[in-house]
Amino acid sequence: AQSVTQLGSHVSVSEGALVLLRCNYSSSVPPYLFWYVQYPNQGLQLLLKYTSAATLVKGINGFEAEFKKSETSFHLTKPSAHMSDAAEYFCAVTGSGAGSYQLTFGKGTKLSVIP
Amino acid sequence: DTGVSQDPRHKITKRGQNVTFRCDPISEHNRLYWYRQTLGQGPEFLTYFQNEAQLEKSRLLSDRFSAERPKGSFSTLEIQRTEQGDSAMYLCASRESDVYGYTFGSGTRLTVV
Repeated sequence: AQSVTQLGSHVSVSEGALVLLRCNYSSSVPPYLFWYVQYPNQGLQLLLKYTSAATLVKGINGFEAEFKKSETSFHLTKPSAHMSDAAEYFCAVTGSGAGSYQLTFGKGTKLSVIP
Repeated sequence: DTGVSQDPRHKITKRGQNVTFRCDPISEHNRLYWYRQTLGQGPEFLTYFQNEAQLEKSRLLSDRFSAERPKGSFSTLEIQRTEQGDSAMYLCASRESDVYGYTFGSGTRLTVV
């Protein structure tokens, strides 16, 4: 069984400031981890994924995340926030074993960027 | 490759009516998933197909819900006797194998009045 906890349902940052969105996971098997972004009334767009290769994963739009097994974390960062980053962000986990199929999502973090 | 397509984008229906949504996955993806997202929540898993076989259904998928993928290509999700609690965004996703990421469609937003 897997679960995801996203700390902070709403995060505000100033334009140009560091973005840090927190995600902790629980998994009974080695996990695959994902970050998705969702704009209003849109589907989910994949930002980046961890699938047991490099622990520091680079994604689109300047985002990156680091898998820390000891902390069961997969926090999302971006050095400098842009107005276009304002959206809702979801962390998700699935198992890496054969037959693992179900993505389990966190409740999401809404990012606001202040000009 | 046009991504995952969902139709319609929006649906308003009266309580008690039946509705059907369609999902067209990326053509080479044999795995197809349906999720439901209510306001302020993350998506929740509903059901999973590998080719035409429905391999898993969530407890969220009550008897009023049925999903099909008759030829292993597009899929339909039907809700019978809709209730106000069915109001949500219904998301479809597909992927090529267990290794690759999931590609989501834009969703169908259902409003039951």
